[in-house]
Amino acid sequence: AQTVTQSQPEMSVQEAETVTLSCTYDTSESDYYLFWYKQPPSRQMILVIRQEAYKQQNATENRFSVNFQKAAKSFSLKISDSQLGDAAMYFCAYRSGNFGNEKLTFGTGTRLTIIP
Amino acid sequence: GAGVSQSPRYKVAKRGQDVALRCDPISGHVSLFWYQQALGQGPEFLTYFQNEAQLDKSGLPSDRFFAERPEGSVSTLKIQRTQQEDSAVYLCASSLERSLAGLGDTQYFGPGTRLTVL
Repeated sequence: AQTVTQSQPEMSVQEAETVTLSCTYDTSESDYYLFWYKQPPSRQMILVIRQEAYKQQNATENRFSVNFQKAAKSFSLKISDSQLGDAAMYFCAYRSGNFGNEKLTFGTGTRLTIIP
Repeated sequence: GAGVSQSPRYKVAKRGQDVALRCDPISGHVSLFWYQQALGQGPEFLTYFQNEAQLDKSGLPSDRFFAERPEGSVSTLKIQRTQQEDSAVYLCASSLERSLAGLGDTQYFGPGTRLTVL
């Protein structure tokens, strides 16, 4: 079974600075997808960014980028120019590349606080 | 148009009562997922539908949990004889069917139903 580990329960960053959230995972599969989701206090989970394992290029979405290290099974999220609206729980998630195995496996999350 | 909606947003039940939680997915989304999120934890998978077919129910914790999606749209998660350990937020998500290119499969989440069992 796949597992996802987020070793930082809480992180804080000054507004406008850069912060990196860590995620490691364990799998025996070669084809899979990785995601970062954001969950603000309102509870609605929002997709931040996704990475296909077969792609070597790291995904980027505006101020959000990932550092995907497949051999090390590491998938960290970098947030640049942090904004107050970035404050939330961030969850790393894994999904198998096998059709039919559609579920997401989540880590325990990192609570990000933005300091004005 | 609208996103995934869930009702009720909050539910308080006495131990032993049955509860039913509803999920309205995004129109046209083929896949529907239920997750359970305990306080301070990440969501954990419960079950998955493609249209009306329940393709994976490996995450249901006991036979007290039952989910259905009879017409391939709205889904109901039913918990019988609720226990205190069932207290959690229940999240529903929907997505298009994953294409051969692996696209179109982003899961969109609803706001969740917070269940408290006294």
